[in-house]
Amino acid sequence: GAVVSQHPSRVICKSGTSVKIECRSLDFQATTMFWYRQFPKQSLMLMATSNEGSKATYEQGVEKDKFLINHASLTLSTLTVTSAHPEDSSFYICSATHHRGETQYFGPGTRLLVL
Amino acid sequence: GIQVEQSPPDLILQEGANSTLRCNFSDSVNNLQWFHQNPWGQLINLFYIPSGTKQNGRLSATTVATERYSLLYISSSQTTDSGVYFCAVVPHGGSNYKLTFGKGTLLTVNP
Repeated sequence: GAVVSQHPSRVICKSGTSVKIECRSLDFQATTMFWYRQFPKQSLMLMATSNEGSKATYEQGVEKDKFLINHASLTLSTLTVTSAHPEDSSFYICSATHHRGETQYFGPGTRLLVL
Repeated sequence: GIQVEQSPPDLILQEGANSTLRCNFSDSVNNLQWFHQNPWGQLINLFYIPSGTKQNGRLSATTVATERYSLLYISSSQTTDSGVYFCAVVPHGGSNYKLTFGKGTLLTVNP
């Protein structure tokens, strides 16, 4: 149990376009979802925390107008990278949790390349 | 904020060898998890272990919360164990269950 999926797994886009990444909890209801970013050979950096039905909480230094997060239901959160630029190229990973302070389950990640 | 330090940063083993990975954290924690990130980037949950000892096959973990460290033991390593091992914590009193990750240990197991 506790499977999290992400779509797409990889995307290549032109500079200036917007890209939407979906994160779904397949077999549980996720009260909270998290979005991370990982650059090559580095650790995961939390971008934002997403609670169903409320606005996302962004970490310091993360532009909320750049990275739009929508947590529409207990099984779906989306991250939209607006007006993407080459420096936004990265590995984006979501996670989900269904209990207070319990295990976070991670999606397989989305590789974004902006040309 | 809380600091999470993992050691060693890199480890190379021959298949069949045993290893110990360490995670030190600077403050008390409510949650500590160990993950394995495989070469395709997927993070695999290994242990949820804010305290105590757990075992799962060839892997085991021990967290000594009072001394602020956790250890991950890998026995009889296999080439499929290669990848990055991350320790991540939620500090005591931390908001919204946010995990803070260490920088990871890159493990390479050679045949």
